[in-house]
Amino acid sequence: DTAVSQTPKYLVTQMGNDKSIKCEQNLGHDTMYWYKQDSKKFLKIMFSYNNKELIINETVPNRFSPKSPDKAHLNLHINSLELGDSAVYFCASSLRQGPNSPLHFGNGTRLTVT
Amino acid sequence: AQKITQTQPGMFVQEKEAVTLDCTYDTSDQSYGLFWYKQPSSGEMIFLIYQGSYDEQNATEGRYSLNFQKARKSANLVISASQLGDSAMYFCAMRSNNAGNMLTFGGGTRLMVKP
Repeated sequence: DTAVSQTPKYLVTQMGNDKSIKCEQNLGHDTMYWYKQDSKKFLKIMFSYNNKELIINETVPNRFSPKSPDKAHLNLHINSLELGDSAVYFCASSLRQGPNSPLHFGNGTRLTVT
Repeated sequence: AQKITQTQPGMFVQEKEAVTLDCTYDTSDQSYGLFWYKQPSSGEMIFLIYQGSYDEQNATEGRYSLNFQKARKSANLVISASQLGDSAMYFCAMRSNNAGNMLTFGGGTRLMVKP
């Protein structure tokens, strides 16, 4: 009965490669997000989608491309991986976009670029 | 713009005692939500408690309560009767309409519960 699931949990790859992280939520939520947590544990939003439509695109290199085939899925594709992309990436969803709607997070994907 | 500040990078508490984790925020919006999340060493982000800016009562969820002082712009998390399993990182976060309803996080507080 996993609410927000993302795969893989760990991803180790070399510089220059392209990789994808998949995310699915079964909560019936309208809005999905990608967050990045750096080595100092700081969490920063990358993207937000509402009903498959891009709402927020923070200052993220265009090597990062989100794709939402339907409102239950939001995948993250990363091209030409760099050392600085090493981080934990969290997918999340919320029922609504409003300020009273909590985000529910997946368990994270630890990306290591060597 | 909105900003969340957690001034305690790390804290210790004795098992079974209560502990308060500080959080102050800054926003020009009148309508906003405040949230606390727990991140244990296993890495997942667990939603703990929510407080709306128009709520007059402090939110409570089991052993967690949120001490909301609107005039001071503070939203401290109080954990009563600490347990060893409470050892984790705790993040305060905020959403507001003016900031595009992004959930913005503070830097976190690492809580360690001593037996």
